[in-house]
Amino acid sequence: GENVEQHPSTLSVQEGDSAVIKCTYSDSASNYFPWYKQELGKGPQLIIDIRSNVGEKKDQRIAVTLNKTAKHFSLHITETQPEDSAVYFCAASHTDGNNRLAFGKGNQVVVIP
Amino acid sequence: EAGVAQSPRYKIIEKRQSVAFWCNPISGHATLYWYQQILGQGPKLLIQFQNNGVVDDSQLPKDRFSAERLKGVDSTLKIQPAKLEDSAVYLCASSLSRGGSTIGELFFGEGSRLTVL
Repeated sequence: GENVEQHPSTLSVQEGDSAVIKCTYSDSASNYFPWYKQELGKGPQLIIDIRSNVGEKKDQRIAVTLNKTAKHFSLHITETQPEDSAVYFCAASHTDGNNRLAFGKGNQVVVIP
Repeated sequence: EAGVAQSPRYKIIEKRQSVAFWCNPISGHATLYWYQQILGQGPKLLIQFQNNGVVDDSQLPKDRFSAERLKGVDSTLKIQPAKLEDSAVYLCASSLSRGGSTIGELFFGEGSRLTVL
């Protein structure tokens, strides 16, 4: 099955700086790549996603880039704010009929005021 | 719009006891998921329902875990008997997706935290 890995496991950034989290996946058939944000005591929440027919997608301060050849995709957060502090999960799936999402282990992002 | 509701939020039991978790998805969402999230790890799918039918339960430990979704709405996840390694947060999620070639956004509840002593 699909195996998703995230790096680094913990990332500390100064407020206002940019944060980049990278994920690699193993199944070349995967074609859907969402990013979820999980705050303490809450369930994950979708923040951005990308499908394999595009290389980049942007939504305000958040962007995701996809490199299908290298089988990795990255989350970019610009002008980080304290409320960006959370655990971020990447995931991957392909349309094999059940669309099972395989999640990575998560990245703890800490924005230092 | 109301979100995904789960209960109880916290449960502490001893090993070999049983426990049940309840989930009420967002109204109109056809697909319902149960995930297990062990501390420090990402969510792992246990079972996926499309309306009241099971789509994927390949990662559900069927000797001790069971789940049902009656009338295609609410769902319960049961563990009997519980083991120490079942300590985790059990997340319920729902989506509008009705299968096929498109996967949609998953809306997660706040989870039920289980501690097995």
